[in-house]
Amino acid sequence: AQKVTQAQTEISVVEKEDVTLDCVYETRDTTYYLFWYKQPPSGELVFLIRRNSFDEQNEISGRYSWNFQKSTSSFNFTITASQVVDSAVYFCALMNAGGTSYGKLTFGQGTILTVHP
Amino acid sequence: NAGVTQTPKFQVLKTGQSMTLQCAQDMNHEYMSWYRQDPGMGLRLIHYSVGAGITDQGEVPNGYNVSRSTTEDFPLRLLSAAPSQTSVYFCASSYSLWQSPQYFGPGTRLTVL
Repeated sequence: AQKVTQAQTEISVVEKEDVTLDCVYETRDTTYYLFWYKQPPSGELVFLIRRNSFDEQNEISGRYSWNFQKSTSSFNFTITASQVVDSAVYFCALMNAGGTSYGKLTFGQGTILTVHP
Repeated sequence: NAGVTQTPKFQVLKTGQSMTLQCAQDMNHEYMSWYRQDPGMGLRLIHYSVGAGITDQGEVPNGYNVSRSTTEDFPLRLLSAAPSQTSVYFCASSYSLWQSPQYFGPGTRLTVL
């Protein structure tokens, strides 16, 4: 079985603050993929990043950065110098590469981020 | 490319009615899937398909049917709508499970009275 937990239901910050969204996952597979998606108030789901289980390098894309640590089964997402446009629901997701969960994307419950001006 | 399209955007049904949610993509993606989004539960996989003629169940398949007769289309059928199926439904597609992420359609908001 696979599971994704986003313990932070809601986070509220003031613009320009840094914010980290936590994601912890469970899987028995050794090969898997991790994702982050953003859902702005308009409702669409926007792909942000995909990571495979063999690549533990951290990634930075502009103000976004991701910290993948297999030892703690975590894939945390940090927004530096947050902006009002970052306000959205953020989902972490896991896809196993084998077993009965093959090809199935499992989402966390989501974290609602509100950035105040 | 239009990407992933879904119709309708909104729908209200009465209990017991049937309907089909449409999903289409013009990117020649092999993998397509349907999710439902409920408050506090994230997105849950209903059914998915790894190619034309091949479908499989996800986490919450009961009450839904799918078929994949073409690469482009992946309709989701509600056989006898129930209030518990009130949700936002998203269709997604990807070129390859392992080489590309899934791209989502705009969603269909379904209310069952």
